[in-house]
Amino acid sequence: KQEVTQIPAALSVPEGENLVLNCSFTDSAIYNLQWFRQDPGKGLTSLLLIQSSQREQTSGRLNASLDKSSGRSTLYIAASQPGDSATYLCSIIQGAQKLVFGQGTRLTINP
Amino acid sequence: DTAVSQTPKYLVTQMGNDKSIKCEQNLGHDTMYWYKQDSKKFLKIMFSYNNKELIINETVPNRFSPKSPDKAHLNLHINSLELGDSAVYFCASSQDGWGFGGTEAFFGQGTRLTVV
Repeated sequence: KQEVTQIPAALSVPEGENLVLNCSFTDSAIYNLQWFRQDPGKGLTSLLLIQSSQREQTSGRLNASLDKSSGRSTLYIAASQPGDSATYLCSIIQGAQKLVFGQGTRLTINP
Repeated sequence: DTAVSQTPKYLVTQMGNDKSIKCEQNLGHDTMYWYKQDSKKFLKIMFSYNNKELIINETVPNRFSPKSPDKAHLNLHINSLELGDSAVYFCASSQDGWGFGGTEAFFGQGTRLTVV
């Protein structure tokens, strides 16, 4: 059974810092990995999708990496801004139309 | 032109009632899902449908019955609501639900259900 763990559960950093969010999963037989952000009271916004054959994806100030063999993914946020404050969710896409989520990292960027 | 839309956004109801949540996607995707986010913010899959056919039923009580009249809609009907059903319910869709290729899931804004 796939389990997804995100560390840390919460993170608070000053504006402008670079930061890394971690995601680990127990079963390396995955198809894709998708990072989302969730703002309070809102839905999920897709940030990056990494296919199992890829090692990283970049979008603007975000870079996500995937190491299937070690069961790890990281989300790197460069030059953080207060607008980046949100909960970041890692999800593993396995077969049979199923996303398995971690519990998220609640990120606060202090001005 | 919201991609995945759910209604209502908020739903407050009494125990024992029956309620429905509607979901529509205009992305032309083949697969739709229902997820439940509990009070601890943990997201867990409930159902997935591919082209109107049920693919996943993740040990959800049979008081929950999804209905997919066409592949753009997946509604969730809940009978005999219980206090423990209070949560945020998210609808989502993806193009290639089998996970091959660039399957990206898109989520609706959520429906906050409160059972009193």
